[in-house]
Formats: sequence, C-alpha cells, structure tokens
Amino acid sequence: DAGVIQSPRHEVTEMGQEVTLRCKPISGHDYLFWYRQTMMRGLELLIYFNNNVPIDDSGMPEDRFSAKMPNASFSTLKIQPSEPRDSAVYFCASISGGGTGELFFGEGSRLTVL
Amino acid sequence: AQSVTQLGSHVSVSEGALVLLRCNYSSSVPPYLFWYVQYPNQGLQLLLKYTSAATLVKGINGFEAEFKKSETSFHLTKPSAHMSDAAEYFCAVSEHTGGFKTIFGAGTRLFVKA
Repeated sequence: DAGVIQSPRHEVTEMGQEVTLRCKPISGHDYLFWYRQTMMRGLELLIYFNNNVPIDDSGMPEDRFSAKMPNASFSTLKIQPSEPRDSAVYFCASISGGGTGELFFGEGSRLTVL
Repeated sequence: AQSVTQLGSHVSVSEGALVLLRCNYSSSVPPYLFWYVQYPNQGLQLLLKYTSAATLVKGINGFEAEFKKSETSFHLTKPSAHMSDAAEYFCAVSEHTGGFKTIFGAGTRLFVKA
C-alpha cells in the first residue's frame, strides 16, 4: 500500500508569495495531522482533522496559515503571505481511528522562504 | 493537556554500549506512548508503542521501553548500540480518548562512536 504522500518535497519561494502544500493520507485512515519541524521549536502540531473536519487548530500560528480537507484523500496547508520565519519542514501524517494511534508520516515538504 | 519532556538533546555512546534515552510525560488520562525515529531527510517511523497492555514494550531493531506510571516515564533502551542507530529519536504522547491528538518531545539526537 502507498504511504502518506506529500508534495512538493522542496519549495523555495520569496517572501510574500502564496505557498500550498499538499497531502494524500493512507486510504482508510480517518485522521490527518499537519506538523511543522524546525530546529528551534521541534515538532509542532498545527492542526488535525477527523473525517475531513478540523478538530483542533490551536497550533496554527496565525491567520496567514489555513488548512483544508475537502475529501478523505486530500488535504492542503496554505500560507499566504509567506515570511522567512515560515521556513521549516512540514509533515503530514495519518491515523486509522480503529487503531492504536500510530502516526504514519509522509516524507515532508521542505519550505524555504527567502 | 499532555506534554513530553526528553532529557538530553544529544546522547553519544560507543558502538556496543547501552543506549538509554529518557522520556517523561504528563497526561490527564491514561496515555498512549510512542517512540519514533527519524533519519536525515525522512519522516518519522514508529519504533514502539505502549497502549495499556504490557508495561515492557519491545520494538524494532532491538529497542525496548518500559512504562512506569509512578515515575511518569517511558525510557527507551537498547543493550548494544550499532552504528546504524545514529538518528534522532522522539517520544510522543497521545490522549486517545480525545481523538489521538499526539504531542512530541523535543527529540534526542543519538551519536554512535566506532
């Protein structure tokens, strides 16, 4: 089975531009998580969804960040406008609600904002 | 709210020596606890998990961890380090009654010397 698929793997953009990161969870998984990893702050939970509905977005840093899950097989994390401090690796992960909470991670999207 | 503290951002051991990575957690409900490993430029992979069954949990690559409720600890051990164990290790807690929200510790980078 395919794992969690994220795109793009690398993104370099200029400050002020819009960035869209994409995630396809494992088929049948009903929870989807977005994390951000930086050297300074480690792994931060940004938002998570259950059955396409956002459950907890308290980790979203500010209004420039938004996330959607229009269907069970696709989610986006958007940053508009982007700033240099948004540079990080963004991970998507999914869980089966019938399991024991093991997160399955994608390989991440490395974002660099110049 | 749950939280995780990993003692030591860096641990260095000699090949063949005992590996001990420390993790303490805080949770308002019986937790699920996890150790994940991250190799460079990759997502996180599950090493092992505690989900309220046996308190001594065995994982992949010879790692194990013991859940100690009285100490709120879940330390990771391996009797004999191998060069291939060099990576970053993350302890995580999930309050599964609240929808599998998973919080990670800051991580411990393990160095293995020849």
